[in-house]
Amino acid sequence: DTEVTQTPKHLVMGMTNKKSLKCEQHMGHRAMYWYKQKAKKPPELMFVYSYEKLSINESVPSRFSPECPNSSLLNLHLHALQPEDSALYLCASSQAGTHATDTQYFGPGTRLTVL
Amino acid sequence: GQQVMQIPQYQHVQEGEDFTTYCNSSTTLSNIQWYKQRPGGHPVFLIQLVKSGEVKKQKRLTFQFGEAKKNSSLHITATQTTDVGTYFCPLWAGTALIFGKGTTLSVSS
Repeated sequence: DTEVTQTPKHLVMGMTNKKSLKCEQHMGHRAMYWYKQKAKKPPELMFVYSYEKLSINESVPSRFSPECPNSSLLNLHLHALQPEDSALYLCASSQAGTHATDTQYFGPGTRLTVL
Repeated sequence: GQQVMQIPQYQHVQEGEDFTTYCNSSTTLSNIQWYKQRPGGHPVFLIQLVKSGEVKKQKRLTFQFGEAKKNSSLHITATQTTDVGTYFCPLWAGTALIFGKGTTLSVSS
């Protein structure tokens, strides 16, 4: 099973709402990632978890809050977002996140619209 | 710092024509991975090259790693409409892959 699942597929939220994006994998991977992708742009790295510890936060605004409850689950908590945060949010996982040869497996993404 | 440039950024071909995208690095790479993202989809791993001069084939796709391990190419023979999408050769940044702009291929039938 090489599947990464993400819920919800689509999300519309107001600027005062609090919501969460969820990601799950059952490949035994120990590294998980959040990427943000705007239309016609490449995926942009937001957060990296390796062995359930946040190893990289690419200077992402605090209105995005990641959480890794266990090695299979990754959440992204959203609060007080701005319309410019509307994008496709991609979750990915890899074996360990420590080797250049680690292959990343991406989920289908959550398409977020902030009104 | 280490950078990977991919050319061309956009390419339009007629169905049946060949297509090549190049990935060029300023420094020697330990390996290179290729991903494809279809319109409306998510990046999907295609292949990994590790050895100098390595060539791998997947049906109509041919991947090559340069002798100096500073460049790589992806060649598609006789493109089909199913080849449409953006092809990436992301850079390994220590704990994650960093994606550049990629090459976006469009195919008209």
